[in-house]
Amino acid sequence: EAEVAQSPRYKITEKSQAVAFWCDPISGHATLYWYRQILGQGPELLVQFQDESVVDDSQLPKDRFSAERLKGVDSTLKIQPAELGDSAMYLCASSLTGGNTIYFGEGSWLTVV
Amino acid sequence: EDQVTQSPEALRLQEGESSSLNCSYTVSGLRGLFWYRQDPGKGPEFLFTLYSAGEEKEKERLKATLTKKESFLHITAPKPEDSATYLCAVYRSARQLTFGSGTQLTVLP
Repeated sequence: EAEVAQSPRYKITEKSQAVAFWCDPISGHATLYWYRQILGQGPELLVQFQDESVVDDSQLPKDRFSAERLKGVDSTLKIQPAELGDSAMYLCASSLTGGNTIYFGEGSWLTVV
Repeated sequence: EDQVTQSPEALRLQEGESSSLNCSYTVSGLRGLFWYRQDPGKGPEFLFTLYSAGEEKEKERLKATLTKKESFLHITAPKPEDSATYLCAVYRSARQLTFGSGTQLTVLP
């Protein structure tokens, strides 16, 4: 069964350092999402791509977060500098264009110390 | 602004004890309501999408229903392996999901 692949699964970083997460969506899925989930809460959208274009990044803290999907396939989410409040699970998800089902990856856990 | 509220926050059941989880929502232009299951430390796993009031969907011991203001996830004769957090989310025309905070279900043997 096709899956959304994410790496790394776990990352511990010091405050003020840079960190990056990678996502490979299900093959053929043109829409890609990055969500952040704080323990005990539901996921919140950070950024949405359609192919290589950003559709919505209104909730992305652009002073420290950036996201790219250069060839319209895999994507990278970067945080620089990391802050203690960034500790969370970062989830990547994908769907077909016009599709109504959004599939999530296993997530990348970030701990900032 | 979209709002999704799930209740209860946590639910403990004995194996075989049926119950329901609630998801109430306020959203304009609802295109669908999703239910996901999330195991500890893992990403959400898709369960159901409901599109219109009156619709019902079933999968094993789970049945999801939808009205104009809320959705219910009914769990019939649950087993310990049904223990997880159940998330509901609303889906608008922007093709984005707005999630509730989830219900953490524990089924005791």
